[in-house]
Amino acid sequence: NAGVMQNPRHLVRRRGQEARLRCSPMKGHSHVYWYRQLPEEGLKFMVYLQKENIIDESGMPKERFSAEFPKEGPSILRIQQVVRGDSAAYFCASSPETVDGYTFGSGTRLTVV
Amino acid sequence: SQQGEEDPQALSIQEGENATMNCSYKTSINNLQWYRQNSGRGLVHLILIRSNEREKHSGRLRVTLDTSKKSSSLLITASRAADTASYFCATVSSGGYNKLIFGAGTRLAVHP
Repeated sequence: NAGVMQNPRHLVRRRGQEARLRCSPMKGHSHVYWYRQLPEEGLKFMVYLQKENIIDESGMPKERFSAEFPKEGPSILRIQQVVRGDSAAYFCASSPETVDGYTFGSGTRLTVV
Repeated sequence: SQQGEEDPQALSIQEGENATMNCSYKTSINNLQWYRQNSGRGLVHLILIRSNEREKHSGRLRVTLDTSKKSSSLLITASRAADTASYFCATVSSGGYNKLIFGAGTRLAVHP
């Protein structure tokens, strides 16, 4: 059981480029969550997805950010036209149908230069 | 908006002492969870306490939950330098689906 796999671990992008962050949930988990953590702060909820459905995107910025969890393959968090303020650690978590049993990935640290 | 608020924001103690961190939240919950994060690393799940539970133990960890006060505490007994980390509480709201809402965390430093 490989756990929640996030890649890449570190990502450097220049301002204006696109960032694509990937998350493969644990086997058997159908719920995926994305969180963002700024330095010295707690995690902030961004989006909650099930296969092919966005359930709650109340934490997503209105522009430039999108997320998907296709029928096949990993969940993708996409940030278009990145700005320096997007620099943060992005964590993905997955869970089965029940309300407990969350497992977090190791995160992707995005640096915008 | 964030659900949980931890206090203190930072805590500095000597090895062997106990560390107590508190968490308050605003809405009715299904469960409350505590996580640890070492600097620059991912989150490690420590313990989950359900809304119908009042206390739970795991090794040197003791968690209490008071739903009437909407608060929880995490006690680490006989602390070690390796316990140095940030500790976060996170809640799953009742009546809804299972998304975690985190507090801002307590930064614990344990000095040898």
